[in-house]
Amino acid sequence: AQSVTQLGSHVSVSEGALVLLRCNYSSSVPPYLFWYVQYPNQGLQLLLKYTTGATLVKGINGFEAEFKKSETSFHLTKPSAHMSDAAEYFCAVSGLGGSQGNLIFGKGTKLSVKP
Amino acid sequence: DAGVIQSPRHEVTEMGQEVTLRCKPISGHNSLFWYRQTMMRGLELLIYFNNNVPIDDSGMPEDRFSAKMPNASFSTLKIQPSEPRDSAVYFCASSGPGGGLSYEQYFGPGTRLTVT
Repeated sequence: AQSVTQLGSHVSVSEGALVLLRCNYSSSVPPYLFWYVQYPNQGLQLLLKYTTGATLVKGINGFEAEFKKSETSFHLTKPSAHMSDAAEYFCAVSGLGGSQGNLIFGKGTKLSVKP
Repeated sequence: DAGVIQSPRHEVTEMGQEVTLRCKPISGHNSLFWYRQTMMRGLELLIYFNNNVPIDDSGMPEDRFSAKMPNASFSTLKIQPSEPRDSAVYFCASSGPGGGLSYEQYFGPGTRLTVT
């Protein structure tokens, strides 16, 4: 079965510091992996996704993630945090079932950015 | 593109009342998902449709919950009767076209339901 584990429900960084949000997955098939961001009182929006090809994926707002098959990881990073990055971040892996396209979400990591 | 549209954005109702949440997916998308988000349980998939057909409703909490998708541009999630523990934010998302595991989901703004 597919599953996602996000290490750390809360992460706090200073403005300008490196952001690292951890995600490990379990999948019985080659996974498609996603990071979503949720700002307060809003829906989730896609930051980036990995399907095939290059394992380093760049997304919006300066975020990137690297797919490491040997470590079953897909950690999200940003070199320099900005106050506007404060939000909740969700990692997701594609579910099984052919063309249905469902996603399995992690429990989320809330990012705080200190001035 | 208008994105996924949900209505109402906020709903306050009394225990025992029927609640209907509505969703219009992005035009051309053929998969639709209903999620519930709470502080305690996080983001939960309730049900999803592919080509208007329910594929997996194992996340629907109990018989009080029902969902329909009469056509490609409209879906409803109904709770009858509602209970205080149903208070949550309910999200609708769509993906496509053509299905496929590589298609990301696009989320609506959510409906915040409060049952008193």
